[in-house]
Amino acid sequence: KAGVTQTPRYLIKTRGQQVTLSCSPISGHRSVSWYQQTPGQGLQFLFEYFSETQRNKGNFPGRFSGRQFSNSRSEMNVSTLELGDSALYLCASSLGTSGWGTQYFGPGTRLLVL
Amino acid sequence: GESVGLHLPTLSVQEGDNSIINCAYSNSASDYFIWYKQESGKGPQFIIDIRSNMDKRQGQRVTVLLNKTVKHLSLQIAATQPGDSAVYFCAENMGGGADGLTFGKGTHLIIQP
Repeated sequence: KAGVTQTPRYLIKTRGQQVTLSCSPISGHRSVSWYQQTPGQGLQFLFEYFSETQRNKGNFPGRFSGRQFSNSRSEMNVSTLELGDSALYLCASSLGTSGWGTQYFGPGTRLLVL
Repeated sequence: GESVGLHLPTLSVQEGDNSIINCAYSNSASDYFIWYKQESGKGPQFIIDIRSNMDKRQGQRVTVLLNKTVKHLSLQIAATQPGDSAVYFCAENMGGGADGLTFGKGTHLIIQP
């Protein structure tokens, strides 16, 4: 079974631009969560989608948004990029039908904001 | 604030020895814990998990221990191998729901030949 895939793997943007990242979950997984990883703050939860609905949200500004499609694929968008948005963005999928579902991570998208 | 933390940022062990990585959590409502391994340039890889109704769980060469009294979690790796070199994160999930995982800062495990 194929793992979680994320595209693109690397991205360079400038301040003020916006970016869209994509995540394809493991087949059969309905929950997709997004995390931001930086050296200073570590891994931080952004939001989680299940059946095309945002089910939970972390403590990030409204510039960070996401959506999920009927095939469970998910995208996250960051608008008006700031230098501090440079990070590794990780997507994780799980079955999502209960709170005990193990989350499996993709390789991440490394975003550099100049 | 409530968070999951790790006692040591770096742990160096001899190849073949057992490794013990510790984690402290502060939220008594946490009921699900996971250990992840992250190698350079890769996303976190699931190692083992444990629910709060258990004290111990074993996998292949790994054991997770949960002490709810002192809110402590540990990962034991038997016969450490060079491929075990990575950053190890503990993560917690609160309430058994769909909440995102809260991660600790990570411990870098270094294997000495």
